[in-house]
Amino acid sequence: AQSVAQPEDQVNVAEGNPLTVKCTYSVSGNPYLFWYVQYPNRGLQFLLKYITGDNLVKGSYGFEAEFNKSQTSFHLKKPSALVSDSALYFCAVRDNAGNMLTFGGGTRLMVKP
Amino acid sequence: DAGVIQSPRHEVTEMGQEVTLRCKPISGHDYLFWYRQTMMRGLELLIYFNNNVPIDDSGMPEDRFSAKMPNASFSTLKIQPSEPRDSAVYFCASSFGPPGEGSEKLFFGSGTQLSVL
Repeated sequence: AQSVAQPEDQVNVAEGNPLTVKCTYSVSGNPYLFWYVQYPNRGLQFLLKYITGDNLVKGSYGFEAEFNKSQTSFHLKKPSALVSDSALYFCAVRDNAGNMLTFGGGTRLMVKP
Repeated sequence: DAGVIQSPRHEVTEMGQEVTLRCKPISGHDYLFWYRQTMMRGLELLIYFNNNVPIDDSGMPEDRFSAKMPNASFSTLKIQPSEPRDSAVYFCASSFGPPGEGSEKLFFGSGTQLSVL
């Protein structure tokens, strides 16, 4: 069975500082990895994905994520946080044989001015 | 395109009543997913359809829950009878092709906030 762990319920960052939201996964075979963001009272929105290729993936709003196969991690990063980045972030994984995404529990990012 | 449309946005009902949640996926999308979000359990996949056919309903919590997709542009999730523990935000999402192949994006609706008193 595939699974995703987001070890931090909340991450607090000052505006302008770099941010990291952690994600580790467990899956059979090669993983397909995703990050989604949820703003208040909204559905999740796709941020970025890793399927294959370069381990550093760039996505929307200046976010990027680094795939690390040996550590089975896919941490989300941004060099300089904005207050408007404050939201709930979900990591998701699927294997290459099934159709369903498995989501992590989510990490709330709070960026303070 | 207006995106995935869910209705109602909010539903308050009494225990024992029937609740029907509705979803209109993005035109042309061939996958439709129903998720439930709670503080305790996070985001759970309840059921998903491919070309209007239910593929996996193993996430449906009980027989009180049922979902249908009579055509490519409409799906319903029904709870009968409803219970207070069903209170959650229910999301519908659609995609073109399985996530990870071709279109890897799920497009989510804004959700239905269900409160069962």
